[in-house]
Amino acid sequence: QQQVKQSPQSLIVQKGGISIINCAYENTAFDYFPWYQQFPGKGPALLIAIRPDVSEKKEGRFTISFNKSAKQFSLHIMDPQPGDTATYFCAATIMDSGRRALTFGSGTRLQVQP
Amino acid sequence: NAGVTQTPKFQVLKTGQSMTLQCAQDMNHNSMYWYRQDPGMGLRLIYYSASEGTTDKGEVPNGYNVSRLNKREFSLRLESAAPSQTSVYFCASSGHASPLHFGNGTRLTVT
Repeated sequence: QQQVKQSPQSLIVQKGGISIINCAYENTAFDYFPWYQQFPGKGPALLIAIRPDVSEKKEGRFTISFNKSAKQFSLHIMDPQPGDTATYFCAATIMDSGRRALTFGSGTRLQVQP
Repeated sequence: NAGVTQTPKFQVLKTGQSMTLQCAQDMNHNSMYWYRQDPGMGLRLIYYSASEGTTDKGEVPNGYNVSRLNKREFSLRLESAAPSQTSVYFCASSGHASPLHFGNGTRLTVT
């Protein structure tokens, strides 16, 4: 089964604090887990990614936590800002027949209020 | 460096009309993809091309055809548009060790 389940569907937060978006997968063959950020009217853009041999990766205010045994991973946004207002997609990928096959979560619409 | 360029940005079709969505990438990527994005459904793969000269069906190929014209260009054709094909269409490309890079999409409405 190739599904990736993402929650919550939407999130409204105040500036500051921490926002957390969760994803769960089923296929243990996935070997790369990216998060994409999408602003209105734009295509998804790679935000941060992690491989399953690492439990955490941090880039600026964005951190991925990865739990291989639970088949779950999450995006943590520290001190969210209004400019972070966007839709966030998790994904899980494997190489398949010469191309990188992505399975996307359904997305989380994050709104950060001033 | 433009990345992935899609044309047109917007299109309105009547049911039964045909059209071709164009996509070009300048990153020398081997693989190219067409996705559709619908509210609450995330991104679903329509067709992909692992390398020049090959194309394969994705998750939702019905009603679409594709052409990998050369290494840079990958087009998506709707032969007879239906209202169910109203969506935002994204083209993407990737190299062997790189993540997917997306264009800015074509917003298609079929009335």
